[in-house]
Amino acid sequence: EDQVTQSPEALRLQEGESSSLNCSYTVSGLRGLFWYRQDPGKGPEFLFTLYSAGEEKEKERLKATLTKKESFLHITAPKPEDSATYLCAVHNSGYALNFGKGTSLLVTP
Amino acid sequence: EPEVTQTPSHQVTQMGQEVILRCVPISNHLYFYWYRQILGQKVEFLVSFYNNEISEKSEIFDDQFSVERPDGSNFTLKIRSTKLEDSAMYFCASSQDTPPREQYFGPGTRLTVT
Repeated sequence: EDQVTQSPEALRLQEGESSSLNCSYTVSGLRGLFWYRQDPGKGPEFLFTLYSAGEEKEKERLKATLTKKESFLHITAPKPEDSATYLCAVHNSGYALNFGKGTSLLVTP
Repeated sequence: EPEVTQTPSHQVTQMGQEVILRCVPISNHLYFYWYRQILGQKVEFLVSFYNNEISEKSEIFDDQFSVERPDGSNFTLKIRSTKLEDSAMYFCASSQDTPPREQYFGPGTRLTVT
């Protein structure tokens, strides 16, 4: 059973068209939720960690939020260079991060 | 900015051969990890390593896999007898502290088993 589900699988936006990516999780005792960016053929690049419901973090055009069941990654006025796959991962015990399948974002000029 | 490095970037091997994937974690990090990503699938945890021993491993990390920190900077993943299904991107990661402290990933080694 998937513990982390990301939607949509793929998203195409026009430059400047804001949107949100969703990560829903079913783990109990969440200790941290992570957002990473992955470019083709590269390793995941750390963006944010969220620890508790109600927490928000921002970096440039990205803002991550967390509730008790899901997290959103809001992208404001995206640019073509924001095109990438965005990965969500959760941690509830031990050392492993449990990743979702990702949302592939394409921003066109 | 410190980063995790991995070598080689691409390794091609024949089924049944042994491969060693190498990683240099961020220098002040104490916790080390290996993950893999089969093409088109999600990133999967293999193993974590701390204080010269395995701290956690997944079901994927069976007897054909081993990890080692042979010196003060390198961290290696050995696959003893490769199978076709071992073809994947292998990512090394490191962190300063235990999760939920963030893990920083290297660029990966693409392993192709023929």
